[in-house]
Amino acid sequence: GESVGLHLPTLSVQEGDNSIINCAYSNSASDYFIWYKQESGKGPQFIIDIRSNMDKRQGQRVTVLLNKTVKHLSLQIAATQPGDSAVYFCAEKLYTGKLIFGQGTTLQVKP
Amino acid sequence: DTAVSQTPKYLVTQMGNDKSIKCEQNLGHDTMYWYKQDSKKFLKIMFSYNNKELIINETVPNRFSPKSPDKAHLNLHINSLELGDSAVYFCASSQDLGSPVGYTFGSGTRLTVV
Repeated sequence: GESVGLHLPTLSVQEGDNSIINCAYSNSASDYFIWYKQESGKGPQFIIDIRSNMDKRQGQRVTVLLNKTVKHLSLQIAATQPGDSAVYFCAEKLYTGKLIFGQGTTLQVKP
Repeated sequence: DTAVSQTPKYLVTQMGNDKSIKCEQNLGHDTMYWYKQDSKKFLKIMFSYNNKELIINETVPNRFSPKSPDKAHLNLHINSLELGDSAVYFCASSQDLGSPVGYTFGSGTRLTVV
């Protein structure tokens, strides 16, 4: 079946440290993998995506790694800030445009 | 200027009622979607329309009926509301069915059925 799962429901980090959020997926019929950030009372906000034929992509303070062999995706946030506190979702996009979301990891940043 | 706007933001209604949620996007996108987020924050697609044509229709009760009068609007009508329909409903749009860049979500409509 289709599923994208996250390893930890909550991640607590110290401000300034790096954060790593992990995700496992099972569906191979996807062209992109995407990370979203959802703050309280808001909709998911696009952070970064990676095409299925890539294994690494970097953005501003964020890096996404894709390991297709073990169907694993991770989001690394450098120098985590209080404003990074949110729920993070991984999602895979199918060719139909449909997004299959993981369960979500809550990132808590301690000052 | 809100890119994807939904109304209302909050909706409290009694079981058995019929209600609608409206969505509009001003991004010029061709594709629009409805997602449902449950109390555990799990997000699942319900429908998608591409240029007013239904593309995705997940296993959703037929009490839910989407309507797209034009490619900038995708409304969701729900008949005979049930307690289990309580959730946050998100509208989204994307340029097309291809790149995820620009896949934009609205701020959600929290539906509470009492």
